[in-house]
Amino acid sequence: QSALTQPASVSGSPGQSITISCTGTNSDVGGYNYVSWYQQRPGNAPKLIIYEVRSRPSGVSNRFSGSRSGNTASLTISGLQAEDEATYYCSSYSRRTTVMFGGGTKVTVL
Amino acid sequence: QMQLQESGPGLLKPLETLSLTCNVSGDSITTSRHYWGWIRQPPGEALEWLGAIFSTGRTLDNPSLKSRVTMSVDTSKNAFSLKLTSVTAADTARYYCARVRFSGLFYNYFDSWGQGILVSVSS
Repeated sequence: QSALTQPASVSGSPGQSITISCTGTNSDVGGYNYVSWYQQRPGNAPKLIIYEVRSRPSGVSNRFSGSRSGNTASLTISGLQAEDEATYYCSSYSRRTTVMFGGGTKVTVL
Repeated sequence: QMQLQESGPGLLKPLETLSLTCNVSGDSITTSRHYWGWIRQPPGEALEWLGAIFSTGRTLDNPSLKSRVTMSVDTSKNAFSLKLTSVTAADTARYYCARVRFSGLFYNYFDSWGQGILVSVSS
């Protein structure tokens, strides 16, 4: 059982916006500004798309945005495209285990 | 350009020790301010952090692995390694190495990943 809770799947039509949640505690997501998100396409390694809750690495589309409210972080994908089909993982610093991952959310573009 | 490449055996028997190496190019383990980490992913499952090591040899690991993990660095080869003892079928997974950004004592993110190596444990 993963320590950070994500929905198993989210879907949307091209052009729509979708949001993926990542719920933890005040010992991880809610207590530190060290939440990151990764995109993993089938057969590929994960790729960093958001760090420090809302920052984007160079080269990542601005259609990806991050936010947080309390112990829940969120990843929003706006203007959904076919290439966004992937599994998305959140991750956070944890006072207990140093690093935590979520269980992953599979995004389907209808 | 930063690249990481895992190497090691793809098949182990139960109770053997898994040994993997990650060769790094495009950054120097010795001078980098980053940690160097290991993550695994069982088939169809989520990511699991195993541990990370700094060039000085300082390590951080996942308490759930109960001291089965040993990490080391070889600065002469610009590589770092993972050993996982007493493997079982539950250790079957794709193992990734990655560069880890820490902010002080706090894990921040993994910014570069290897392609991963599939390790199966079977008698």
